[in-house]
Amino acid sequence: GENVEQHPSTLSVQEGDSAVIKCTYSDSASNYFPWYKQELGKRPQLIIDIRSNVGEKKDQRIAVTLNKTAKHFSLHITETQPEDSAVYFCAASMIGTASKLTFGTGTRLQVTL
Amino acid sequence: GAVVSQHPSWVICKSGTSVKIECRSLDFQATTMFWYRQFPKQSLMLMATSNEGSKATYEQGVEKDKFLINHASLTLSTLTVTSAHPEDSSFYICSASSGTFSYEQYFGPGTRLTVT
Repeated sequence: GENVEQHPSTLSVQEGDSAVIKCTYSDSASNYFPWYKQELGKRPQLIIDIRSNVGEKKDQRIAVTLNKTAKHFSLHITETQPEDSAVYFCAASMIGTASKLTFGTGTRLQVTL
Repeated sequence: GAVVSQHPSWVICKSGTSVKIECRSLDFQATTMFWYRQFPKQSLMLMATSNEGSKATYEQGVEKDKFLINHASLTLSTLTVTSAHPEDSSFYICSASSGTFSYEQYFGPGTRLTVT
């Protein structure tokens, strides 16, 4: 089955700096890669996603890049703010199999003032 | 749109008893629902996938006789933790998808289960 690795496990940045979280996946058939933000005790919130026919996608301060050949994808957050502090999870799935998601291990992002 | 609810939001039960958690899609028909378990400071682990009207598909290592899943309608799936033990204490989250080729999952708010 699919295996998703995520790094780093913790990340501390100063407000205004950029944060980058990286994930690799094992199954070349995976073609959908969402990123979720989860605050303590809350549900995961989809913040951005990318499909395998696209190399990069951006939404305001958040961007995701995908390298299908290397089987890795990354989340980039620019101009970080304290409210960006949370746990971020990457995931991978294959469209057409009822969207079964395999999650990465998570990155705890702390944005300090 | 695409709202998923869970009930209860938290529950405390005694060891050996059973607990039922409900997951509802409020404004769409969920042909597929997923159940995840999340231990503190860990990732979401898929327990099972359920399709309306058919038996759930369990992930390897998940005891189907202990975690009973029923997906009787297009808007409701239930997870029953039978003979709960303290090690079953966890955050249980459901998600729903509107179709086989719909790739986005909509997550419920989660249920915090504590077994004493």
